[in-house]
Amino acid sequence: NAGVTQTPKFQVLKTGQSMTLQCAQDMNHNSMYWYRQDPGMGLRLIYYSASEGTTDKGEVPNGYNVSRLNKREFSLRLESAAPSQTSVYFCASTFWAGTESGYTFGSGTRLTVV
Amino acid sequence: DQQVKQNSPSLSVQEGRISILNCDYTNSMFDYFLWYKKYPAEGPTFLISISSIKDKNEDGRFTVFLNKSAKHLSLHIVPSQPGDSAVYFCAATGGGADGLTFGKGTHLIIQP
Repeated sequence: NAGVTQTPKFQVLKTGQSMTLQCAQDMNHNSMYWYRQDPGMGLRLIYYSASEGTTDKGEVPNGYNVSRLNKREFSLRLESAAPSQTSVYFCASTFWAGTESGYTFGSGTRLTVV
Repeated sequence: DQQVKQNSPSLSVQEGRISILNCDYTNSMFDYFLWYKKYPAEGPTFLISISSIKDKNEDGRFTVFLNKSAKHLSLHIVPSQPGDSAVYFCAATGGGADGLTFGKGTHLIIQP
């Protein structure tokens, strides 16, 4: 089925370890996003890529890096994981950003940092 | 400072009745408003949206109303069904590519 695929679905890291969250979409969308969801906080934007070749910081970028590998793929990297990065991470994409067109979200990656 | 606010963390409604979820915003630059529905362990799914030039948009059982002067929007679900039990997020965008700004969500519980 067409959509946004995130891997892995679950991950446990030790403090200081690094990892990359993968995201791929097959809808030919231009813009891609990484959000994190914490209890009682809603979804907060970490980084986004308005189009292939560009990336920008969102509301909570500290401790993260991103790569827009091509039009389909947008990865999120934690270089040195901290317990404060325990969260559920969602990748999203859209063809027409900044319009009433909905964004398509992946099913999420649940990350625990111990 | 929160730009999109959903002041009711939870709402309980009887099956068959109307559910009304509210959302307030502070940023007058927002052009589009969207509602998302989220089940546990799944990603949010797009439900309905409205442009700031409209005051109402309807899609089946779902209607969104926008009051620009009050910076307030609401989602009406009529009639409410058990499958509507989920967390509903209000989101807004200013017309750029810099993503959606979300409220904290309202957990809707439909009672049989």
